Amino acid sequence: QQQVRQSPQSLTVWEGETAILNCSYEDSTFDYFPWYHQFPGESPALLIAIRPVSNKKEDGRFTIFFNKREKKFSLHIADSQPGDSATYFCAAHNNAGAKLTFGGGTRLTVRP
Amino acid sequence: ETAVFQTPNYHVTQVGNEVSFNCKQTLGHDTMYWYKQDSKKLLKIMFSYNNKQLIVNETVPRRFSPQSSDKAHLNLRIKSVEPEDSAVYLCASSSWTGPNSDYTFGSGTRLLVI
Repeated sequence: QQQVRQSPQSLTVWEGETAILNCSYEDSTFDYFPWYHQFPGESPALLIAIRPVSNKKEDGRFTIFFNKREKKFSLHIADSQPGDSATYFCAAHNNAGAKLTFGGGTRLTVRP
Repeated sequence: ETAVFQTPNYHVTQVGNEVSFNCKQTLGHDTMYWYKQDSKKLLKIMFSYNNKQLIVNETVPRRFSPQSSDKAHLNLRIKSVEPEDSAVYLCASSSWTGPNSDYTFGSGTRLLVI
């Protein structure tokens, strides 16, 4: 059962454009939604996160938009840079299960 | 240095052998996890332990067994490895009652079964 779905699998944008990565979930008990990025040869690292009490979270060029009713959230990367090229994972946390459930990942390529 | 430490970084073995991976965290967390990341980058949780107690045991072949001596250590043993076990195994830790943002991954152990 895939509880967190992520799209697209692969995304290419030009430098300076806004990259948009999407996720949806099924379990209403999820209470924390982070985004991780992973560079080749490295482990996932926390980028930005949001809780359902908010519908938007910003941190520099990175913004999460959250829609609780539709069970969807997205990551917008403004003014994309070649250094942003990585695999991005959305995730959802359930306190009852004490675990993060990850989406399938989006491989982002930013062309100069 | 406070972090999640995994050994070895890389391991090559033959089908049928037994392997063990070690994980230690010095972050003062009380919950530890093992994730498997396959060649398609999919991240799947395998086990989680809270204060040495098994909390989550996903559908994992029985040849996989976690071992926890205390809340700072969580090892993973694989008896009789199969080719499909080739993957990166990521250890992570967090605080059960702390902010979710303290979830921290180790650098991973890459297993190649030949």
